[in-house]
Amino acid sequence: KQEVTQIPAALSVPEGENLVLNCSFTDSAIYNLQWFRQDPGKGLTSLLLIQSSQREQTSGRLNASLDKSSGRSTLYIAASQPGDSATYLCAVRRPGEGNNRLAFGKGNQVVVIP
Amino acid sequence: GAVVSQHPSWVICKSGTSVKIECRSLDFQATTMFWYRQFPKQSLMLMATSNEGSKATYEQGVEKDKFLINHASLTLSTLTVTSAHPEDSSFYICSARVPGTSGLGVETQYFGPGTRLLVL
Repeated sequence: KQEVTQIPAALSVPEGENLVLNCSFTDSAIYNLQWFRQDPGKGLTSLLLIQSSQREQTSGRLNASLDKSSGRSTLYIAASQPGDSATYLCAVRRPGEGNNRLAFGKGNQVVVIP
Repeated sequence: GAVVSQHPSWVICKSGTSVKIECRSLDFQATTMFWYRQFPKQSLMLMATSNEGSKATYEQGVEKDKFLINHASLTLSTLTVTSAHPEDSSFYICSARVPGTSGLGVETQYFGPGTRLLVL
């Protein structure tokens, strides 16, 4: 069974600092890994998707890396802003279970202090 | 990106009543939709996969008679929580798969905004 762990569970940083969020998964046989953002009481917004053959993806201030063999991904957010305050969820898509469904971590809850 | 809506956004009900939650794909037809449940500070847990025109596939431990899923059209799936109890209070999120993306590694899902259910 695939297990996804996100560390730290929560963190607060002053505005302008870089954020580093970690995700680990137990089964390296994945199709892809995806980072989502979830605001309180809201649904999920996809941020970055990394295919299993890729090492990283970048979008603006966001950069996500993937080391499939070690079961790790890191989301970097450069020059954090108060608007980056949210919960960031990591999810891996695993094969062989019918609908190729996503396995989610519990999230990294981020507060950026102005 | 594609839009998925849910209605209602929040609901409070008395124990023993039934609650229906709607999930709609607004600008694409979704043959497959997923229902998740999220408890505070926990990860999203897949409850069931809803396929248009056929019976839903439930995850282990999810009671199909308690969580009724109907996917009668290509843009609408409903989740009915029957005889709700306080332990059913949770955040329910649906997701719709974009057609033609169920191939290896390219599947695309869009998530709804969620429905907060509080059972008193």
